[in-house]
Amino acid sequence: DTGVSQDPRHKITKRGQNVTFRCDPISEHNRLYWYRQTLGQGPEFLTYFQNEAQLEKSRLLSDRFSAERPKGSFSTLEIQRTEQGDSAMYLCASSGDSGNYEQYFGPGTRLTVT
Amino acid sequence: DQQVKQNSPSLSVQEGRISILNCDYTNSMFDYFLWYKKYPAEGPTFLISISSIKDKNEDGRFTVFLNKSAKHLSLHIVPSQPGDSAVYFCAASVGGNTPLVFGKGTRLSVIA
Repeated sequence: DTGVSQDPRHKITKRGQNVTFRCDPISEHNRLYWYRQTLGQGPEFLTYFQNEAQLEKSRLLSDRFSAERPKGSFSTLEIQRTEQGDSAMYLCASSGDSGNYEQYFGPGTRLTVT
Repeated sequence: DQQVKQNSPSLSVQEGRISILNCDYTNSMFDYFLWYKKYPAEGPTFLISISSIKDKNEDGRFTVFLNKSAKHLSLHIVPSQPGDSAVYFCAASVGGNTPLVFGKGTRLSVIA
């Protein structure tokens, strides 16, 4: 299977702890996106990369959040000092730039902050 | 302010009939639109897209219609099947290869 993968699928953490999520995009895709989805809402954009360059960050992304894509392949999203409001599904998507702009999503990481 | 709106939270359709899901947008800069299907505990699955230079795009049982003057698009599923039961999200972007703005979704139930 060459789809987008995310790890872990589920994470339960206590308030104040740091968590890190990983996303592996489709191998030939150079754009990688992070979204967050809460109950009853559509996914909301957090940040995205073209290769290793971070092109845009949403104002939803507080300074407790940081994302990297060091070699232009996989990406990590870290949340420091987690809060209960961070509980959500974190989704990663990737796309190519050869004229087909569809974004393909991974299965997501469900974060629960207790 | 919601830039992409799906005003029907849910829709029930009989198997074999047509399902029509609607989406409105407010940002006139949007020029690329997509529909995704989502099952519980999974990521969204891409269904079909349309760019603003077209007013219709078909892929098998799925057809998307775009009315730029009304800032409205719709997804038609014909014939509807029980496996189509899921939450459907409309999404839009400026320029195509940029972050997507999603609606809140419409839950489709196809009844056998």
